[in-house]
Amino acid sequence: EDQVTQSPEALRLQEGESSSLNCSYTVSGLRGLFWYRQDPGKGPEFLFTLYSAGEEKEKERLKATLTKKESFLHITAPKPEDSATYLCAVHVTGNTGKLIFGQGTTLQVKP
Amino acid sequence: GAGVSQSPSNKVTEKGKDVELRCDPISGHTALYWYRQRLGQGLEFLIYFQGNSAPDKSGLPSDRFSAERTGESVSTLTIQRTQQEDSAVYLCASSRDRDYGYTFGSGTRLTVV
Repeated sequence: EDQVTQSPEALRLQEGESSSLNCSYTVSGLRGLFWYRQDPGKGPEFLFTLYSAGEEKEKERLKATLTKKESFLHITAPKPEDSATYLCAVHVTGNTGKLIFGQGTTLQVKP
Repeated sequence: GAGVSQSPSNKVTEKGKDVELRCDPISGHTALYWYRQRLGQGLEFLIYFQGNSAPDKSGLPSDRFSAERTGESVSTLTIQRTQQEDSAVYLCASSRDRDYGYTFGSGTRLTVV
């Protein structure tokens, strides 16, 4: 069964304290891995898509990496405005395009 | 439009009543998805539309749930005889094609009392 697991469930950081969020996946075939950010009361906002092991993408303080079994979202010198829930999702080969989501990591950055 | 629009943003309904949730996708986006997000849980896939056909309905939890889409435009998710376990945020997303990243709407928060 295709599965996505994110860890930790919650993470508290001080402003400027860098860290990483993990997304491990077990799928029959990976077509793509997506990262989204979700603020309270809003829909998820697209951040990155990664397609193959070794691929990396960056956006401001965020960097996403991909291996054959997991993806990391690295947050460098976070600011309070980075506080949100970060969602990982996989698009499985042969699928209709539906994404299988992990439970998310809720990040809180304190000033 | 500039983004995916969902209405209403909030809906409180009595158990046993029917509800309709509406989604206006981004113009030109042929793929449209409905997801459900229960409190503290991940997103659950409900249904996928390509144009006005629905090749994947595998996520609809029961026959009380149905959805339709008019052309490559508006979609409506209908829940009949609502139950308390239907309480959740219902999210709609659209994309240019199934291989592109989605744009989500802000969701409809449904509360069944």
